[in-house]
Amino acid sequence: DTAVSQTPKYLVTQMGNDKSIKCEQNLGHDTMYWYKQDSKKFLKIMFSYNNKELIINETVPNRFSPKSPDKAHLNLHINSLELGDSAVYFCASSLLASSYNEQFFGPGTRLTVL
Amino acid sequence: GDSVTQMEGPVTLSEEAFLTINCTYTATGYPSLFWYVQYPGEGLQLLLKATKADDKGSNKGFEATYRKETTSFHLEKGSVQVSDSAVYFCALASTGTASKLTFGTGTRLQVTL
Repeated sequence: DTAVSQTPKYLVTQMGNDKSIKCEQNLGHDTMYWYKQDSKKFLKIMFSYNNKELIINETVPNRFSPKSPDKAHLNLHINSLELGDSAVYFCASSLLASSYNEQFFGPGTRLTVL
Repeated sequence: GDSVTQMEGPVTLSEEAFLTINCTYTATGYPSLFWYVQYPGEGLQLLLKATKADDKGSNKGFEATYRKETTSFHLEKGSVQVSDSAVYFCALASTGTASKLTFGTGTRLQVTL
């Protein structure tokens, strides 16, 4: 069983569209994250939820809206997609929101905006 | 704010060569330090970690020691294999309840026969 799964793996869409990426973890973790990896492989935190509560919200355009229906799921909805949103988006989870805990990453969703 | 600086890649080595990838950090307090590896087309996997000064993390022949005096966490392996070819990321997580990983820029390692 995959520990952290994301769907879809690839997403190709036109500018201006709205799209969602889903993430699920079956590890029983309390904390989930979204990271963005740009074309130069640089990884940056976007959001984090702990037990369905938003605890980290970096300087991300408000076109990006995370939603956590329960602590096993963290979805990312993006409105009015722009060319600069093209990237690989990684979901991750950790047992607790603690610096000591390892984060487990999903396989990534490659978003291409045309 | 927190930051991680890694040596620029790519690093190209012959099989069985010694590997060092340098990593230094800036953070307040006492962060935890991590090395993650990303194989082509895959997500990140934790390679090793250290949560306090002088701790040594090790896994699969890789080692790194948390050096507070030099704010460093250099990755080493005595004898690399072709299967070690990947991108390696140094990262830190600051203390506090809302933890996040701050990553370095990644170092691509290419090991040839």
